[in-house]
Amino acid sequence: DTGVSQDPRHKITKRGQNVTFRCDPISEHNRLYWYRQTLGQGPEFLTYFQNEAQLEKSRLLSDRFSAERPKGSFSTLEIQRTEQGDSAMYLCASSPTFSFGTGSWGYTFGSGTRLTVV
Amino acid sequence: SQQGEEDPQALSIQEGENATMNCSYKTSINNLQWYRQNSGRGLVHLILIRSNEREKHSGRLRVTLDTSKKSSSLLITASRAADTASYFCATAAGNKLTFGGGTRVLVKP
Repeated sequence: DTGVSQDPRHKITKRGQNVTFRCDPISEHNRLYWYRQTLGQGPEFLTYFQNEAQLEKSRLLSDRFSAERPKGSFSTLEIQRTEQGDSAMYLCASSPTFSFGTGSWGYTFGSGTRLTVV
Repeated sequence: SQQGEEDPQALSIQEGENATMNCSYKTSINNLQWYRQNSGRGLVHLILIRSNEREKHSGRLRVTLDTSKKSSSLLITASRAADTASYFCATAAGNKLTFGGGTRVLVKP
């Protein structure tokens, strides 16, 4: 287990289609995060999981977006009825639970899934 | 929304020179982190500084934090062509990181 894996690396889809992305975090990490990044901008928070529980969702995450983390392992992010504005890099990251306590760690990011909606 | 704002937005330097970039933020934080991103790739964690720390070093990196001014700086000394990347500050508050817009650094050989 060498890092966070995301699949696919690239996805081109027609407007209106549904897409699903997968993220496999580092196995010891309890927390899993999804971010979206558009060209020239920093990553924007979408949602995060503590084990299998989805604890926070951004207002950016419209009804067309849904994320799951069954059994607290891998996670999927689904976008329904894609729009051109959904074109972006979707980044997944994981971290140990006590990231912001006395034993703080950074996030480990995957390489991302680049979505292009045509 | 992005809490951090990096300055400058872009920086071009010669190999061997130092690169300094700044980050300002708005709310109280637990810690502040810096990440590097090479073109089209994921982010790589560089360094973390806690809110009760003022300065931290890691190899050629030096980070400062001034919580009274809500600002941080990242210094890369003796830059190399391989340092060419975008650099992001991220503030930790609550249970997530909030990223700034980044500084794009070009190191010319």
